Order: sequence, then C-alpha cells, then structure tokens
Amino acid sequence: KQEVTQIPAALSVPEGENLVLNCSFTDSAIYNLQWFRQDPGKGLTSLLLIQSSQREQTSGRLNASLDKSSGRSTLYIAASQPGDSATYLCAVRYAGNMLTFGGGTRLMVKP
Amino acid sequence: DGGITQSPKYLFRKEGQNVTLSCEQNLNHDAMYWYRQDPGQGLRLIYYSQIVNDFQKGDIAEGYSVSREKKESFPLTVTSAQKNPTAFYLCASRTGAANEKLFFGSGTQLSVL
Repeated sequence: KQEVTQIPAALSVPEGENLVLNCSFTDSAIYNLQWFRQDPGKGLTSLLLIQSSQREQTSGRLNASLDKSSGRSTLYIAASQPGDSATYLCAVRYAGNMLTFGGGTRLMVKP
Repeated sequence: DGGITQSPKYLFRKEGQNVTLSCEQNLNHDAMYWYRQDPGQGLRLIYYSQIVNDFQKGDIAEGYSVSREKKESFPLTVTSAQKNPTAFYLCASRTGAANEKLFFGSGTQLSVL
C-alpha cells in the first residue's frame, strides 16, 4: 500500500527561525510530489510541485527537495513569520493520476 | 475570476436525508475530485472524474454518489447510507496532463443534526 507520512504532526517555533517539514513515502515510483498549505476551515493552496526528475523547487522563502531513492521530501521555510502559521500537507502522485496525501504538519510561528 | 466554487460553506444533514454538495469550476479542467478531510487528518479520495460522463470510485466511495454531466460541474451526494458523514469536504480540479497542479475549492463543512 502506498503511504505518505508527515512528521512531526505539529510544530511551534519562534518568529525568524528557519525550519524544515518532512514528508516520507513508501513507494518511490512517483510522478511528482506537491506541497500544499491549508488555513483553518479553508481549502488547500498549492505551494510547490516537484516532478520526479527534479531535485528541488524554490518559491520565495520556500524550498522543496525530493529524494526518490530514500522516499523523502522536505519543505524548507526560511525566516519564518507568524503569517506562515498553517497546516502543510504533502501529496504524492502515482500511476493512475491519483494523489496520496500525508496527514499534515500543523505549524505555529510565534511572534 | 477563474477558480473552483464550492457551496454551501456549511451544511447540516438530518438522519436519513440525502444532501448534495456543489462544485463548479471555470478553469476548463478535465479532471475533478472529491476528498473528505476529518479533523487532524489528511485527505481521502471519495470519487474522481477524468472526463465528462465518466467517474471512478476512490478509497472511501461507500455512501456517496456523483455525476459529471458537464465539464464545469461535479456534484457530490452524501446519501443516508453514509453513517458518519460529519467532515470537511473538498473539491479539486486539474487539467488532463499528469504533471499539472491540483487546485482546490474552499470546502464544505457537513454536520449531522
């Protein structure tokens, strides 16, 4: 069974800190991996999409890496701000165009 | 403004009642999806449709039904057979290309009276 795991489930950091969110997957035969942000009671917003042939993607203060051989992706957030507080989910696309989601990491950035 | 619109934002269901959640997109996307999210958990796939007049069951389709009569619309009906319907329901869409991003609506919170 294809599983996606995100650890930790919750994270609290002081403002300004650099942080890393982790995503691991059991099946390395992926098409791509996508990181999303979800604010409470809202839908998901796509942050970064990494194709299986890529090693990383960057957008502003966000950097996502992908290591298929070890079944891992990380989302690096530089100089965190209170506005970054949200739940971050990763999702892996396998054959058949289906997405498998991790359980998310709930991030709190304290001023 | 292009996007995905879900309605209503909040919905209450009485026991034995069927309710329908609306999802409309004007992004000209081929594929549409329905996910269920329970508190503190990830998303689970209910149904998906790759093209008009075609849809497939996801991981937790029991107690749900869908239709795809138009490209823009993919309504989800929560039937009385779904015994634990309280959850946050998310609709998503993307183009037909396998590597395109997934776009989400703002969700519908369904609760049981």
